[in-house]
Amino acid sequence: AQSVTQLDSQVPVFEEAPVELRCNYSSSVSVYLFWYVQYPNQGLQLLLKYLSGSTLVESINGFEAEFNKSQTSFHLRKPSVHISDTAEYFCAVSDTDKLIFGTGTRLQVFP
Amino acid sequence: GAGVSQTPSNKVTEKGKYVELRCDPISGHTALYWYRQSLGQGPEFLIYFQGTGAADDSGLPNDRFFAVRPEGSVSTLKIQRTERGDSAVYLCASSSGPEAGELFFGEGSRLTVL
Repeated sequence: AQSVTQLDSQVPVFEEAPVELRCNYSSSVSVYLFWYVQYPNQGLQLLLKYLSGSTLVESINGFEAEFNKSQTSFHLRKPSVHISDTAEYFCAVSDTDKLIFGTGTRLQVFP
Repeated sequence: GAGVSQTPSNKVTEKGKYVELRCDPISGHTALYWYRQSLGQGPEFLIYFQGTGAADDSGLPNDRFFAVRPEGSVSTLKIQRTERGDSAVYLCASSSGPEAGELFFGEGSRLTVL
């Protein structure tokens, strides 16, 4: 069965600084990878996904993630964060017919 | 509705009681999922429906948990003889199919067992 490891439970950062949220998954022949975001008092929503093709995927609000098969990683990055990016971020991997989620990383952006 | 709807949003019950949680998926979505999220944890898979049938119930923790989707739309998660350890946020998600690659989540039902 697939598993996901998010190495950082909390990441504090100042506004306009760069950030990287780490995600590693267990090795498999082929995987689909996802980042979901949960803003305060809201449901989970998809931020970006890797299904196939280009290993670098981007979201509409400036986040990007790179699928690295050799390192079994799918780290999430943003070059300059905003206060509004404060949220819980979950990495997920496909496992047959469902998604397996990591434990989440809380991104706290300070002014 | 436009999104996945879950009711109730909050449920407080006593140990040993029976609880039902309802999920109304996005119209036309054939796949429906239940997850459970405990404090400080990520969503934990419980069960997946494709249409009316439970295609994968490997995540249900024990036989106190049961879910149905009789008409292939609305689903109900049922918990018998609730225990304090059942306290969590129960999340429902739907998609157009497991190959679609994106789950649409509701806001969850927060269950507190006293």
